[in-house]
Amino acid sequence: QQPVQSPQAVILREGEDAVINCSSSKALYSVHWYRQKHGEAPVFLMILLKGGEQKGHEKISASFNEKKQQSSLYLTASQLSYSGTYFCGTELTGGTSYGKLTFGQGTILTVHP
Amino acid sequence: DAGITQSPRYKITETGRQVTLMCHQTWSHSYMFWYRQDLGHGLRLIYYSAAADITDKGEVPDGYVVSRSKTENFPLTLESATRSQTSVYFCASTDRGWIMTEAFFGQGTRLTVV
Repeated sequence: QQPVQSPQAVILREGEDAVINCSSSKALYSVHWYRQKHGEAPVFLMILLKGGEQKGHEKISASFNEKKQQSSLYLTASQLSYSGTYFCGTELTGGTSYGKLTFGQGTILTVHP
Repeated sequence: DAGITQSPRYKITETGRQVTLMCHQTWSHSYMFWYRQDLGHGLRLIYYSAAADITDKGEVPDGYVVSRSKTENFPLTLESATRSQTSVYFCASTDRGWIMTEAFFGQGTRLTVV
């Protein structure tokens, strides 16, 4: 079952902030964030485990709210290089979901000068 | 070269034909995945594999067949291609201990069914 991402698209000016949300109707074990540039393969950003963890590097960070089965990706002081499609991937809790990595529909982020 | 490679990069086939997309990784990752990417649908999981000879269905497996006789290869076969299977297909691989590690994606195969 695909996680649901919101918003579907975001348009920013350089230096502005953005938040991308990812939610699941089922219990999550881990959340994975990837970014895909046009015409390229998705590239890994970070993984979060259940437990309300928050991770980040530089100006991109993420949180995981286990109670709500949601994760949010935070992009601060956006740069032109942040443009692309962001995907959250989820692995559910439970034996039959072990190792099954499903992705959301993606959020298109466009950063203008 | 180390990495994950898909072949062919581009393929045009006719409706009803069988076509196989190849995926090869050199890391000996245990897990491999096949996704299709269509506008508005994101990445949808077709099949995945936890190890050689262990495969399982994803969200959209109908019309596809996979096999994994060797750890490094995970071919995807469309038994009788349909126009609805026109898409970009991505293969990915990763390892999993107590948590799944970073997944590496191939460069994708753009398949057109006419």
